[in-house]
Amino acid sequence: EVQVVETGGGLVKPGGSLRLSCTTSGFIFSSYGMNWVRQAPGKGLEWVSSISSGNEYRHHAESVKGRFTISRDNRRNALYLQMDSLRVDDTAVYYCARDHGSEFYGMDFWGQGTTVTVSS
Amino acid sequence: DIQLTQSPSFLSASVGDRVTITCRASQGIYSYLAWYQVKPGKAPKFLIYDASTLQSGVPSRFRGSGSGTEFTLTISNLQPEDFATYYCQQLNSYPRTFGQGTKVEIK
Repeated sequence: EVQVVETGGGLVKPGGSLRLSCTTSGFIFSSYGMNWVRQAPGKGLEWVSSISSGNEYRHHAESVKGRFTISRDNRRNALYLQMDSLRVDDTAVYYCARDHGSEFYGMDFWGQGTTVTVSS
Repeated sequence: DIQLTQSPSFLSASVGDRVTITCRASQGIYSYLAWYQVKPGKAPKFLIYDASTLQSGVPSRFRGSGSGTEFTLTISNLQPEDFATYYCQQLNSYPRTFGQGTKVEIK
């Protein structure tokens, strides 16, 4: 059974940092692209970052570029999101999600999310 | 960046109804569109990919269609568990934008 579990959320002051982790099981992690998607309170889904299966490329939304970095460890079946220079508008539930095979198909397995609150 | 516009933003329907949600892309995206269902406090659920291919395990009352710039999600015989918010997402290029969502509520 595919499992995706996010951890690392919490309360942080503006300008602070957090590192989110996503641990996975039930599939060959190194064969799949992975993503971070967030949902701010009362708002819609927002794509944040993507990384290819073998770490060949990474993409970030303009709203987080230069502040957030996606990475992965294929030996540990884990995905990460390093978040620096956090702002109040980064407050959201952050989801880790697996690509459905091809990067053109969407995201088939999602975790339950981890909550990040940026507040003074 | 490719913008996705969903309509309507909100719709009220009854159990057994057929509802249709439209997703329009600001430029052509072939068939690289996915649909998701989101309920409060739950992980998003992957419904459809490649505009019209039903994900395994998703009931056949869900149907996706379209290509290029105009896409639809149709839910036939609406069930109580279908009341949720639905999002389209384009996978043609980065950033992988989502539509703003369509909330389907019980009439």
